[in-house]
Amino acid sequence: DTEVTQTPKHLVMGMTNKKSLKCEQHMGHRAMYWYKQKAKKPPELMFVYSYEKLSINESVPSRFSPECPNSSLLNLHLHALQPEDSALYLCASSSQGSIYEQFFGPGTRLTVL
Amino acid sequence: AQSVTQLDSQVPVFEEAPVELRCNYSSSVSVYLFWYVQYPNQGLQLLLKYLSGSTLVKGINGFEAEFNKSQTSFHLRKPSVHISDTAEYFCAVTEVDNDMRFGAGTRLTVKP
Repeated sequence: DTEVTQTPKHLVMGMTNKKSLKCEQHMGHRAMYWYKQKAKKPPELMFVYSYEKLSINESVPSRFSPECPNSSLLNLHLHALQPEDSALYLCASSSQGSIYEQFFGPGTRLTVL
Repeated sequence: AQSVTQLDSQVPVFEEAPVELRCNYSSSVSVYLFWYVQYPNQGLQLLLKYLSGSTLVKGINGFEAEFNKSQTSFHLRKPSVHISDTAEYFCAVTEVDNDMRFGAGTRLTVKP
């Protein structure tokens, strides 16, 4: 299984809602990533879990909260988002840090009203 | 820290013509280089990668790239493109223990 799955595919939420994005891989990878991608832009790294240790991009606001329940699962909890947070959220995994290829999921298209 | 520049934001080309998408990087240490393709409303798919060894790398869908250390380049080429190659292409670079950095992307449009 060389696939990264993400749910939901689409999400529409209001600014007062709390929601979660989910990501799963069964490739035995020990590094997982969350990226945010705006239209016509490259992915921007938000968070990295490597061997279940979290690294944070300091510019990511606290209304985004990652969680790694185990080495196969990665969640992104969303709370009090702003319309400018609307984007495609991509999850990726790699076998051992960034020097190996990252496998990307199909993404969750998030719209904040 | 490493960085990557994709010199063309858009490349229009006719079907069956050759294409080259340009990528230059900057780094003070050894780098690892990747090309990803993204079709509309999808995630990124790896086309090819350079980690070490032969500087000419062959990937999926008939694409290839050449690592040129002296020119700090990793240009992507295909001798004959198809309509289905229309997509966004991202060059990416990483160093050991550093995060992957993506270029701004090149929109390849193949016209009939």
